[in-house]
Amino acid sequence: KAGVTQTPRYLIKTRGQQVTLSCSPISGHRSVSWYQQTPGQGLQFLFEYFSETQRNKGNFPGRFSGRQFSNSRSEMNVSTLELGDSALYLCASSLNSGRGYTFGSGTRLTVV
Amino acid sequence: AQTVTQSQPEMSVQEAETVTLSCTYDTSESDYYLFWYKQPPSRQMILVIRQEAYKQQNATENRFSVNFQKAAKSFSLKISDSQLGDAAMYFCAYRSARGETSGSRLTFGEGTQLTVNP
Repeated sequence: KAGVTQTPRYLIKTRGQQVTLSCSPISGHRSVSWYQQTPGQGLQFLFEYFSETQRNKGNFPGRFSGRQFSNSRSEMNVSTLELGDSALYLCASSLNSGRGYTFGSGTRLTVV
Repeated sequence: AQTVTQSQPEMSVQEAETVTLSCTYDTSESDYYLFWYKQPPSRQMILVIRQEAYKQQNATENRFSVNFQKAAKSFSLKISDSQLGDAAMYFCAYRSARGETSGSRLTFGEGTQLTVNP
């Protein structure tokens, strides 16, 4: 059974640009969540999608957005990148969130 | 809002010994889930063990067990017979059990870096 796949693994972008990250959940999982991990702020929840609908959102500016497709694959987009957006972005999928979440290996985004 | 606190930024243990990682949380809810995740250098967060708050029995997964004290809002992880492969960052996490339809998020602690010495 394939795990959660995130692409790309590494990304370098310039301030002001935008970026799109992709996440393919485990087959059958309809819930996909995104987290930002930084040394200073730790792990912070960005948003969660379930059956193509955003049903939970963290405290991030509107520059951070996401969507989920009918096959449950999800993308997150960050517009007008800032240096502070440099982080590891983790995606997690779940069949039943009470059982726990399966995480991908993340996308390391560096903004220069 | 819920908060999760891990007061030990770093811990070390000798191979084959036992180590306990601490976690406390704050919530006004009575029903929730608690998790321990492990993040090795590969960056992938790996679920180690989970506990449902309504269950009084402490969860156990092979060499990993928890000491869940609901009244004290404490959720510590004990690793027995530590192995070199246990070296990683360990995160304690909380999730409300309010319901699947209300959405869900994990609230993480700051993490504890575990070193296993040969």
